[in-house]
Amino acid sequence: KAGVTQTPRYLIKTRGQQVTLSCSPISGHRSVSWYQQTPGQGLQFLFEYFSETQRNKGNFPGRFSGRQFSNSRSEMNVSTLELGDSALYLCASSLPGGVFHEQYFGPGTRLTVT
Amino acid sequence: AQKVTQAQTEISVVEKEDVTLDCVYETRDTTYYLFWYKQPPSGELVFLIRRNSFDEQNEISGRYSWNFQKSTSSFNFTITASQVVDSAVYFCALVSGSARQLTFGSGTQLTVLP
Repeated sequence: KAGVTQTPRYLIKTRGQQVTLSCSPISGHRSVSWYQQTPGQGLQFLFEYFSETQRNKGNFPGRFSGRQFSNSRSEMNVSTLELGDSALYLCASSLPGGVFHEQYFGPGTRLTVT
Repeated sequence: AQKVTQAQTEISVVEKEDVTLDCVYETRDTTYYLFWYKQPPSGELVFLIRRNSFDEQNEISGRYSWNFQKSTSSFNFTITASQVVDSAVYFCALVSGSARQLTFGSGTQLTVLP
């Protein structure tokens, strides 16, 4: 079974630009969660999607948004990038119980904002 | 609110030593789930264990064992006869029924020296 895939793996953007990251979950997994990992703040929950609906959102500004498609693939978007958005963005998929179950993580997208 | 504390930032041991990683959690919910994840240098988080708040049985899986004690709000992880391949960052995480978001500790960097 293929694991969680994330594209692109690396990205360099300039302040003020916007970015879209993509995540393809494990086949059969309908729950997708996103996390931001930085040296200063550690791993922080961004949002969780299930069946194209956002089930929960972490404490991030409205510049961070996401969506899920009917095939369970998910995207997250960050608008008006700031230097502090530089981070490793991790996507995880799981069984319908979502965050209450073990999550399978992708390799992440390393975003650098200059 | 929920919180996870991993007081040990870095631990270094010599191969074949036993090592215990500490995890202390806080939540007001009676229903919650605790997890351990491993993040090797490649960056991808790997699920190790999930435990619900109603199951205080300790668990052993090969060289890994977990000690869950509700009385002290701790969920410690022991690696017996450590190996170089165990070198990684280990995260303890918590999700409670009301919060519905995974909260990670700051992680413990384990280095196993040959």
